[in-house]
Amino acid sequence: SAVISQKPSRDICQRGTSLTIQCQVDSQVTMMFWYRQQPGQSLTLIATANQGSEATYESGFVIDKFPISRPNLTFSTLTVSNMSPEDSSIYLCSVRGQGFYGYTFGSGTRLTVV
Amino acid sequence: GNSVTQMEGPVTLSEEAFLTINCTYTATGYPSLFWYVQYPGEGLQLLLKATKADDKGSNKGFEATYRKETTSFHLEKGSVQVSDSAVYFCALKVLDAGGTSYGKLTFGQGTILTVHP
Repeated sequence: SAVISQKPSRDICQRGTSLTIQCQVDSQVTMMFWYRQQPGQSLTLIATANQGSEATYESGFVIDKFPISRPNLTFSTLTVSNMSPEDSSIYLCSVRGQGFYGYTFGSGTRLTVV
Repeated sequence: GNSVTQMEGPVTLSEEAFLTINCTYTATGYPSLFWYVQYPGEGLQLLLKATKADDKGSNKGFEATYRKETTSFHLEKGSVQVSDSAVYFCALKVLDAGGTSYGKLTFGQGTILTVHP
């Protein structure tokens, strides 16, 4: 399965600022997914990113708040914009690699907004 | 819509105890079912999966059987170890009637398991 490098692993940010999270995959993948895991909660899909097209956002998430880039088949970024304490979460990227069930997750970015 | 419901935790067990974590689901279409595990400080890892009714997924001593009649996929292990302490997520993914998939996983709320020596 694919190997994902996600960074930063954690950060503490001031409210009103933005943070960009990077996800690098060791192989070319078609679909990449960004999830949010709020404290004590399950994973919620933010958006799906395919190379060469606009990301598809889930209900409750908007591009202005969570802009996503997908410049090639091995890399994606998620930006958390104009942060507030409610954005404190773990953010994870996931890829769908070879085979229908080839989902792999990054180790996550633990974000704390103060 | 699609949803996954897991038993509430946290679950605390002694080493070598029997583990069951309940998972039930509702789905439109034809779901595949998964258990993911998240060890402290790490990302999610696929633990096991089942793609059709009556399939049994197994890995590392864990098992789960896809029960269509009860829409369940309960996770079991006969003898847990301290190293099994983690958060366990049940998840599903639905194919449409044409056999294609949007690619989205729907997760349960997670169950924290702590195993004491």
